[in-house]
Amino acid sequence: ETGVTQSPTHLIKTRGQQVTLRCSSQSGHNTVSWYQQALGQGPQFIFQYYREEENGRGNFPPRFSGLQFPNYSSELNVNALELDDSALYLCASSPRTVGSYEQYFGPGTRLTVT
Amino acid sequence: AQSVAQPEDQVNVAEGNPLTVKCTYSVSGNPYLFWYVQYPNRGLQFLLKYITGDNLVKGSYGFEAEFNKSQTSFHLKKPSALVSDSALYFCAAKPVGTGGFKTIFGAGTRLFVKA
Repeated sequence: ETGVTQSPTHLIKTRGQQVTLRCSSQSGHNTVSWYQQALGQGPQFIFQYYREEENGRGNFPPRFSGLQFPNYSSELNVNALELDDSALYLCASSPRTVGSYEQYFGPGTRLTVT
Repeated sequence: AQSVAQPEDQVNVAEGNPLTVKCTYSVSGNPYLFWYVQYPNRGLQFLLKYITGDNLVKGSYGFEAEFNKSQTSFHLKKPSALVSDSALYFCAAKPVGTGGFKTIFGAGTRLFVKA
């Protein structure tokens, strides 16, 4: 069973640029969530995708957007990057079955905005 | 605003001693509660969860957690700590009835187990 994978591992961008981060969910998982983890803080929920549609969103501006594909993989896109967007971005998948509410996280993408 | 609090930035314990990592939550209703662990340069790893039922839940690697509804707490425990338990631990709560999204995480507690 393949776990959650994310690419790239590290990324350096300049303020104002756009970035796309990618995530492959664990086999059999149809729900993907994205989190931003700033240094020294817990993960903050960005949004969740289920069956290729956004299923819920946290307190992040519209320049944070995403996609989910038929194979349940997902992308996180961030436009007009700001310095405060520097963080570890985590993708988590879950099977969305009754009783199974835990999430399985990928290793994350470390984004640095200069 | 709904939140999860982990009052200790760091917990230090000697190997072989019992450990407790504290967590309290301010989330409406009866949320689902979780503990995750994060090792350096890795994503979060699920340890255990409380959904309903027995207040003491057992999880991976010998960890357990005690749910206390009146104190809105969900403390992580282990009877005998190992050096390899040293890591960053996150408590999380998922409000019930929100359509399956938005898990709220605490800021994390770093556990240091000394040999």
